Amino acid sequence: GAGVSQSPSNKVTEKGKDVELRCDPISGHTALYWYRQSLGQGLEFLIYFQGNSAPDKSGLPSDRFSAERTGGSVSTLTIQRTQQEDSAVYLCASSFGATNEKLFFGSGTQLSVL
Amino acid sequence: AQKITQTQPGMFVQEKEAVTLDCTYDTSDPSYGLFWYKQPSSGEMIFLIYQGSYDQQNATEGRYSLNFQKARKSANLVISASQLGDSAMYFCAMREVYSGGGADGLTFGKGTHLIIQP
Repeated sequence: GAGVSQSPSNKVTEKGKDVELRCDPISGHTALYWYRQSLGQGLEFLIYFQGNSAPDKSGLPSDRFSAERTGGSVSTLTIQRTQQEDSAVYLCASSFGATNEKLFFGSGTQLSVL
Repeated sequence: AQKITQTQPGMFVQEKEAVTLDCTYDTSDPSYGLFWYKQPSSGEMIFLIYQGSYDQQNATEGRYSLNFQKARKSANLVISASQLGDSAMYFCAMREVYSGGGADGLTFGKGTHLIIQP
């Protein structure tokens, strides 16, 4: 596609449920990033993929968070047993590589945990 | 210590005036890149401008310019002739090439909320 696509755009879930967020990067972009943005805050780095591998998982806030990327393209971020503090906008970005390349962002998934 | 510091949580500016958004950074890497992103109320992050640590000249992109002062570790964004559509959150970000092996994502500041008044 023309840009980074994320789905769903909004997700409301109950505390304790699992959620899956999807990111479809720009075709040809090998690097893919997940960020979290809480209300009124900057962006918090979660995880980075180069191809299908994730050399940097240091930003995942807990073991309830996991992510995978298959075929060097689509990525899913899974949050198990959601908590209210997980409520945030989850942004995905992609770039051509891991050097000083600008990131192209999707519009994000607004997650609300009730 | 914070890697990116944006000291202006909010700014009000009159339309058509120039705006300077402050950003200071902290790194010991010799090679790094500095980015500015705009986030309007729609939520999408829009890339504005990039400055490499070895670039000799300040970056410019249309009405945007980056006032890069390497010794002061400062990378302020200057918007000339501001427009109502410039109202948004503005984030300064950095990628360090060697710390984290270039594998980390960008490190973002907390942002500045810019409001352009008619």
